[in-house]
Amino acid sequence: AQSVTQLDSQVPVFEEAPVELRCNYSSSVSVYLFWYVQYPNQGLQLLLKYLSGSTLVKGINGFEAEFNKSQTSFHLRKPSVHISDTAEYFCAVSENRDDKIIFGKGTRLHILP
Amino acid sequence: DTAVSQTPKYLVTQMGNDKSIKCEQNLGHDTMYWYKQDSKKFLKIMFSYNNKELIINETVPNRFSPKSPDKAHLNLHINSLELGDSAVYFCASSQGATNTGELFFGEGSRLTVL
Repeated sequence: AQSVTQLDSQVPVFEEAPVELRCNYSSSVSVYLFWYVQYPNQGLQLLLKYLSGSTLVKGINGFEAEFNKSQTSFHLRKPSVHISDTAEYFCAVSENRDDKIIFGKGTRLHILP
Repeated sequence: DTAVSQTPKYLVTQMGNDKSIKCEQNLGHDTMYWYKQDSKKFLKIMFSYNNKELIINETVPNRFSPKSPDKAHLNLHINSLELGDSAVYFCASSQGATNTGELFFGEGSRLTVL
């Protein structure tokens, strides 16, 4: 069965600095990968997803992620963060033989002024 | 118009009571879900329905019973509430394959059991 690990529970970063949120997955078959964002007191919304094709995926709000099969990673990056990026970020994975998406435990992105 | 709407948004109740949370989506999606998010923000799938048929039923106590009267609605009924049921419950919907499609989430229903 698939699993996903987000190594950092919290990431503080200064405004306008770059950020990388780490995500590693475990699976024995082909996977699909997702990043979702949860703003305070809201539901989750999709930032980006990788299903196939180019390993560099661009999403909304200037975020991108790179699928690295050899390192089983799908790290999320943004070159310059804004105060409005303060949120919880969830990496998620599903397998091509399964019917559900499994979420990681989330990383809180804390933007410092 | 809210795409996925849940009611109530907040629910405070005593242990042992029975409560329901309702969910409606106006996106025309075929599949709806219930997720539970605990105090540490961990999000776990509970149930999934596709066209009113149960397709995912994770290891959830049978005190939790989902009901889908039509494909736009998925309600969650919880019997004999326990302290550990306190959480935020999210309804979501998607179209197409359940493992590749985008999930659209409601704003959550925060359940507090005293």
